[in-house]
Amino acid sequence: GQNIDQPTEMTATEGAIVQINCTYQTSGFNGLFWYQQHAGEAPTFLSYNVLDGLEEKGRFSSFLSRSKGYSYLLLKELQMKDSASYLCALLSNYQLIWGAGTKLIIKP
Amino acid sequence: DTEVTQTPKHLVMGMTNKKSLKCEQHMGHRAMYWYKQKAKKPPELMFVYSYEKLSINESVPSRFSPECPNSSLLNLHLHALQPEDSALYLCASSQLLDRPYEQYFGPGTRLTVT
Repeated sequence: GQNIDQPTEMTATEGAIVQINCTYQTSGFNGLFWYQQHAGEAPTFLSYNVLDGLEEKGRFSSFLSRSKGYSYLLLKELQMKDSASYLCALLSNYQLIWGAGTKLIIKP
Repeated sequence: DTEVTQTPKHLVMGMTNKKSLKCEQHMGHRAMYWYKQKAKKPPELMFVYSYEKLSINESVPSRFSPECPNSSLLNLHLHALQPEDSALYLCASSQLLDRPYEQYFGPGTRLTVT
């Protein structure tokens, strides 16, 4: 079966850096996605890893270690608009398995 | 055009009503998805269409009936719903089903069943 764990909530300060971790177990790995979701809105795609290593996209980076079943999303130069839920989603047998999401609260 | 559109944005219906949710994309994507999302929960997959054929049905009750009239359109027909079906219904699309492409989501339909 599949299992995904990520912290329920995190708090960070505007301008700082935050790392949101995601661990998973799966029998069929096709990729690991990160989505951002503001309250009441649809998820929007942030990043995707299929090979080990770091993928950088502006202020956002995502890291994957397949051998450890571990990924993280790194957000730099935090802005108030980054307050949202961040969902880790495992692509397993070409179906997305969603983590419960991490609610990120940004304080001034 | 990287947009998935959904109508209506909000829907209130009684338990005896019949209504339909509509989803459209013009990105040439051949995989389309319906998700249900409750507050503070991740999306739950309901149905997946690949090349206009139903590929996955996640044991969804028959009061939800999907339809894919063509490669750009996806409908969800609703009949005899229950109050617990109130949720945000999200449509998504991706380039292909059996490749690791990202899914693009529509804004959702906020459904309230009274």
